[in-house]
Amino acid sequence: DSGVTQTPKHLITATGQRVTLRCSPRSGDLSVYWYQQSLDQGLQFLIQYYNGEERAKGNILERFSAQQFPDLHSELNLSSLELGDSALYFCASSPTFGASSYNEQFFGPGTRLTVL
Amino acid sequence: GQNIDQPTEMTATEGAIVQINCTYQTSGFNGLFWYQQHAGEAPTFLSYNVLDGLEEKGRFSSFLSRSKGYSYLLLKELQMKDSASYLCAVDPGFQKLVFGTGTRLLVSP
Repeated sequence: DSGVTQTPKHLITATGQRVTLRCSPRSGDLSVYWYQQSLDQGLQFLIQYYNGEERAKGNILERFSAQQFPDLHSELNLSSLELGDSALYFCASSPTFGASSYNEQFFGPGTRLTVL
Repeated sequence: GQNIDQPTEMTATEGAIVQINCTYQTSGFNGLFWYQQHAGEAPTFLSYNVLDGLEEKGRFSSFLSRSKGYSYLLLKELQMKDSASYLCAVDPGFQKLVFGTGTRLLVSP
């Protein structure tokens, strides 16, 4: 158990709908990362937050957005869902952020999203 | 651009040694990570290299050559539970990890 929690574990919805995925980082971790993993694809970095502020953006679609709240939990919002958005969505956390520091990222169990 | 290459699949026998290679081309380099991921589960951290050379951790070792853009993960005394995907990831800066597609390792008795 990494200490990172994600809810829900599974989500089944229809095309065109909007969903919210939730992540609680490990106690004390300030950085939260979101990744998407489609079938037979590697982990794709979506977005990173540090202490409530967006720090880095990856290949995140405009239909997707995220935020990190004062209590450090984060939410990833996916809207106008398409079949191709079906994937595992992972959240990870690490203690700090910075170009000169190394911090292992701890991954949550993921949310499996199925769009029908 | 960012590019990380790993073999798609490897097979090995219980008790053997296997080496999983990773080559990378990234815009920056702040370290290379290896993660293990069992099917449908979260990736778990195995190793981190930022300087050239070998890092050993029990049955697992990881090697890095920055000048060649090359790393490998060495798994010794393979066990059935080592059957998993092994993900190579590079931090090009600010911990925004770029992952390879992973190498699926199948360990047979």
